[in-house]
Amino acid sequence: QKEVEQNSGPLSVPEGAIASLNCTYSDRGSQSFFWYRQYSGKSPELIMFIYSNGDKEDGRFTAQLNKASQYVSLLIRDSQPSDSATYLCAVMGAAGNKLTFGGGTRVLVKP
Amino acid sequence: DADVTQTPRNRITKTGKRIMLECSQTKGHDRMYWYRQDPGLGLQLIYYSFDVKDINKGEISDGYSVSRQAQAKFSLSLESAIPNQTALYFCATSDLQGREQFFGPGTRLTVL
Repeated sequence: QKEVEQNSGPLSVPEGAIASLNCTYSDRGSQSFFWYRQYSGKSPELIMFIYSNGDKEDGRFTAQLNKASQYVSLLIRDSQPSDSATYLCAVMGAAGNKLTFGGGTRVLVKP
Repeated sequence: DADVTQTPRNRITKTGKRIMLECSQTKGHDRMYWYRQDPGLGLQLIYYSFDVKDINKGEISDGYSVSRQAQAKFSLSLESAIPNQTALYFCATSDLQGREQFFGPGTRLTVL
């Protein structure tokens, strides 16, 4: 079992709809959780981070964390074609010294 | 100018050759990382360094070595390149809290 798992997709959503991405992790001691966006041929960039159980909203993005169930999700509201990218979930382990990345979910937003 | 730079951006080499990938940063961060990315596998950590005297192996360090020449410079070497090291390589930096990593533009390496 991989330490951080994501559905590879592609997740196809119509423009204006909500895209829902999920990520599960195996290290119960994990402290911090991150969502990176990576456009094709480009480097990853941080879009959201969350440390506490519950929801965290930033513009059209909402991160949700449930430590008891060991999953973190990302919602993209009012999806735009410019949101088409691969979204990488990353988890900071209990030692707090490195990130473990999932394989990424490719999102396609169709006009 | 970019905060994290990588050279070269593209490299094609042959099996058995020694290759060095270089990373420089102007963010003033102490922590630096090397990752490789293969399609569908996300980012895999090769090595990381928390200061000039600190080097740590990541998930997939076999076949690679690193050198932290200065706070701002972190190099990755492939002593004898093999075809399954063909991948996209990223350098990244973070502050002491490690909460956000800043990535370089990547080096696309092809080993024939």
